[in-house]
Amino acid sequence: LAKTTQPISMDSYEGQEVNITCSHNNIATNDYITWYQQFPSQGPRFIIQGYKTKVTNEVASLFIPADRKSSTLSLPRVSLSDTAVYYCLVGGPNYGQNFVFGPGTRLSVLP
Amino acid sequence: GAGVSQTPSNKVTEKGKYVELRCDPISGHTALYWYRQSLGQGPEFLIYFQGTGAADDSGLPNDRFFAVRPEGSVSTLKIQRTERGDSAVYLCASRGGSDTQYFGPGTRLTVL
Repeated sequence: LAKTTQPISMDSYEGQEVNITCSHNNIATNDYITWYQQFPSQGPRFIIQGYKTKVTNEVASLFIPADRKSSTLSLPRVSLSDTAVYYCLVGGPNYGQNFVFGPGTRLSVLP
Repeated sequence: GAGVSQTPSNKVTEKGKYVELRCDPISGHTALYWYRQSLGQGPEFLIYFQGTGAADDSGLPNDRFFAVRPEGSVSTLKIQRTERGDSAVYLCASRGGSDTQYFGPGTRLTVL
């Protein structure tokens, strides 16, 4: 199973850019990298997914180096409402048990 | 519906009782997943359906847990002889043609 490692917690202030890095040293060739956001009492919400290089959507950017052994989620200009737990996952097309959530990164955005 | 729905949102039961948790996936999604999430932890995989069949049930903790998806749409997670350690939030997710799983709000199960 492709295991991920990410910081347990991070603090930031409103308006700052936040970068959360995830390590996945044993990522497989056909694995994608996916990030989810979870608020208390809600299910995880998809943020972004990528395979290599850089992916950007209206919410975030995902940077993946050539060796794919890590990835960085970038949240531009965070607000208080971005306070949540962020999960990094790696998994292939036939998910199942291969889709393993770690403890995530608890991001606290301060005013 | 627009998203994955789960019922009930909360379920309180007594130790030893039987419970059923329901998941309505996004229409047309062929893949369906069940996870269990304890407080302060990430979701833990339980079972994965592709259509009507369980493609991977290796995450079910023991034979008290069972899930079905008879028509390839709605799924029911069944827990027999509930124990206090089964208390958690049970999450359902569905996936269509992409690699993205879409999660429901979860059912909070409390076993007294």
